[in-house]
Amino acid sequence: KAGVTQTPRYLIKTRGQQVTLSCSPISGHRSVSWYQQTPGQGLQFLFEYFSETQRNKGNFPGRFSGRQFSNSRSEMNVSTLELGDSALYLCASSSDSRPQETQYFGPGTRLLVL
Amino acid sequence: AQSVTQPDIHITVSEGASLELRCNYSYGATPYLFWYVQSPGQGLQLLLKYFSGDTLVQGIKGFEAEFKRSQSSFNLRKPSVHWSDAAEYFCAVLMNSGGYQKVTFGTGTKLQVIP
Repeated sequence: KAGVTQTPRYLIKTRGQQVTLSCSPISGHRSVSWYQQTPGQGLQFLFEYFSETQRNKGNFPGRFSGRQFSNSRSEMNVSTLELGDSALYLCASSSDSRPQETQYFGPGTRLLVL
Repeated sequence: AQSVTQPDIHITVSEGASLELRCNYSYGATPYLFWYVQSPGQGLQLLLKYFSGDTLVQGIKGFEAEFKRSQSSFNLRKPSVHWSDAAEYFCAVLMNSGGYQKVTFGTGTKLQVIP
């Protein structure tokens, strides 16, 4: 099976712009989670989608949003970008939403906000 | 407050030596515990996880971890380190917070392996 894929891999934006990141889970996986990784804050959970519904969420402002499509692909959107949004955004998929299920991570999208 | 602590930011060990990476958590209930590894430029890979049962958990790549409830710890061990183990290691805890389940990661421990 192909692994989790994320597009684009690298992205440069300017402050105030918005950005959309895409994640394609492993075939058959229905749960997709998003994480932000920065040198200062480390790895932080953004949200999780399962069967097109947001099931869990972290402590991020409303500028960060996501959605999941019927084929389980997920997108994450960040509006009104700030310099501090520069980060590696990781997506992970699992077969379902139970915590016992192993999450498989993609390589990430590295976002630079200028 | 719920938190995960990895007290060692950077550890250097010689190839063939044993390894122990420390992880402590603060959480009122029984947690779900994980160890992940991240190689440079890569995503995270799950090494092992603990939910219940035997407190000594075996993982991939020869790693194991022991859950000690009395010490709120979940330390990762490997008896003999290989050069390919050089990477960053993250401990994580699944907690309930505000009606949601979310994973909280430690700040990571970078492992350097010297010949």
